[in-house]
Amino acid sequence: EIVLTQSPGTLSLSPGERATLSCRASQSFSTAYLAWFQHKPGQAPRLLIYGASSRPPGIPDRFSGSGSGTDFTLSINRLEPEDSAVYYCHQSAFSPLSFGQGTKVEI
Amino acid sequence: QLQLQESGSRLVKPSQTLSLTCAVSGGSMGNSGYTWGWVRQPPGEGLQWIGYIRESGRTDYNPSLKSRVTISLDRSRNLFSLELTSATAADTALYYCARGSVTYNYNLDVWGQGTTVTVS
Repeated sequence: EIVLTQSPGTLSLSPGERATLSCRASQSFSTAYLAWFQHKPGQAPRLLIYGASSRPPGIPDRFSGSGSGTDFTLSINRLEPEDSAVYYCHQSAFSPLSFGQGTKVEI
Repeated sequence: QLQLQESGSRLVKPSQTLSLTCAVSGGSMGNSGYTWGWVRQPPGEGLQWIGYIRESGRTDYNPSLKSRVTISLDRSRNLFSLELTSATAADTALYYCARGSVTYNYNLDVWGQGTTVTVS
């Protein structure tokens, strides 16, 4: 089973700043199967990034993903108050699929 | 636009079966290239993958739940279902149904709003 470890647990930043979230996997896998989700209270999770660096339609280009192997990063540029949420990385390369424990971003 | 909506028992007694249904609207489940799955979030915790079913009927489940979980598909009624037997308090959670799309490497691109299930 692939364990995803996210850091930091909480990130407190001001509007306009840049957030850098880390996701480290217990074993290497293809970048095709690394995704990032944004989850706000009372809402369904939203797919932000798939294939480690691709954005679905409608996701602002302030959100970007990078990384490979076991180390992946989600960057959020020019933070806005609406970006306050918990962010999860997710791997679908190997069963069982797994999520990281989440990073809470406070703006 | 495709929408998913969970429904089912909100309160389940311990040892009974937790049953949820996900209704799919705004699109057909008959097309290939999708998986239909479930994710849950226990109170105060993160997201936990439960499992999914492909259009072929092949399933994949989280081993921690494998002996108790069944996901099934009913294309004629445009819905899929989750059954979790022998429920315990540890199954209390917010349950989401979600679609995985080949467009996004089968990542979950459409989610229901979630339904809270309490085992007590």
